[in-house]
Amino acid sequence: DAKTTQPTSMDCAEGRAANLPCNHSTISGNEYVYWYRQIHSQGPQYIIHGLKNNETNEMASLIITEDRKSSTLILPHATLRDTAVYYCIVRVRGGGADGLTFGKGTHLIIQP
Amino acid sequence: NAGVTQTPKFQVLKTGQSMTLQCAQDMNHEYMSWYRQDPGMGLRLIHYSVGAGITDQGEVPNGYNVSRSTTEDFPLRLLSAAPSQTSVYFCASSYGLGMNTEAFFGQGTRLTVV
Repeated sequence: DAKTTQPTSMDCAEGRAANLPCNHSTISGNEYVYWYRQIHSQGPQYIIHGLKNNETNEMASLIITEDRKSSTLILPHATLRDTAVYYCIVRVRGGGADGLTFGKGTHLIIQP
Repeated sequence: NAGVTQTPKFQVLKTGQSMTLQCAQDMNHEYMSWYRQDPGMGLRLIHYSVGAGITDQGEVPNGYNVSRSTTEDFPLRLLSAAPSQTSVYFCASSYGLGMNTEAFFGQGTRLTVV
């Protein structure tokens, strides 16, 4: 799996959009970008994934650059409940329970 | 649906004791795995299984055994607990390779070895 680089921590004001960057410059053509988050030591929760097109679901949007070397997770209207550690993971297509490589992620703190 | 269920939620062991952490899923997922998470760290893969009767080692398998006799269950055994195994353990399940879905995680077992 390709290595990812994320900032250690970020702050965002409640109600604003939270933009979380991820660098994955060694991503292969068949690898997807997945995002998970972990709220206060609960089990990680899937957010979104994509290959090369931008993706949106009820939780977030994922913007992947044209060269696929970086991506941004966007939480459009952050709430206090979005305070969590966010993990960017690059891997081949698949559910992932055969092994997800978690780095240290980005600790996102939503400020009231 | 219950999803991924882990038991117990908390456990304290003495050094040298053995125990089994239970994990069950009711989503008919092929793949299941165990991770440990130490303070301030990301999750690290211990063992995983791609189907009943098939298991393989992850990044940190030493001191742990697994088996997969049914699709639903994937227990993790600590053979002789050591303080270094104090951690939070998470079980996950998913559909298999080629399926564009996500992994589902249990709520964790917090283990302390004294």
